[in-house]
Amino acid sequence: QKEVEQDPGPLSVPEGAIVSLNCTYSNSAFQYFMWYRQYSRKGPELLMYTYSSGNKEDGRFTAQVDKSSKYISLFIRDSQPSDSATYLCAMGAQGAQKLVFGQGTRLTINP
Amino acid sequence: ETGVTQTPRHLVMGMTNKKSLKCEQHLGHNAMYWYKQSAKKPLELMFVYNFKEQTENNSVPSRFSPECPNSSHLFLHLHTLQPEDSALYLCASSQGAQETQYFGPGTRLLVL
Repeated sequence: QKEVEQDPGPLSVPEGAIVSLNCTYSNSAFQYFMWYRQYSRKGPELLMYTYSSGNKEDGRFTAQVDKSSKYISLFIRDSQPSDSATYLCAMGAQGAQKLVFGQGTRLTINP
Repeated sequence: ETGVTQTPRHLVMGMTNKKSLKCEQHLGHNAMYWYKQSAKKPLELMFVYNFKEQTENNSVPSRFSPECPNSSHLFLHLHTLQPEDSALYLCASSQGAQETQYFGPGTRLLVL
């Protein structure tokens, strides 16, 4: 079993739709969770950072962490064509030297 | 220059060549990382440096040789690579080893 599972997609939705992206994980030691967005031919850029369980909202983006289910989500409201990218989840354990990344989900928002 | 920069952005090399990738961070961070990103695979951590000291080597073949002369610069020396080493090589930095990582644009490497 992979430490972090993420459906690679591709996922295609119409402009204005609500998008839900998810990752599951197996390591209960993970304490901090991140979502990165990666445009084609670019490096990943940090979108959201969450520590422990709960929700965090930033504009059209909401990150949710459910540690009891080992499940994290990223919601995008009022999706725009400019949101088309690959979204990677990443997580780390307290005291660890590294993050563990999901495979990434390729998202396309159609005008 | 701001953030994390990488050069070259693209590189084509033969299996007998020797080349180096360069990464520079302008964020005042203390930790730097090399990742390999291949199609349809998760990011693979290769090396971690914390305050110029290597703290992680993720079973990377010796044909990849990292160098960290100071906290702002990181190199990846390449020699006798294989075609399966073709990938996007990403550099990242963070304030501490557990902090948020900021990525450079990557070097797209093709080994012929």
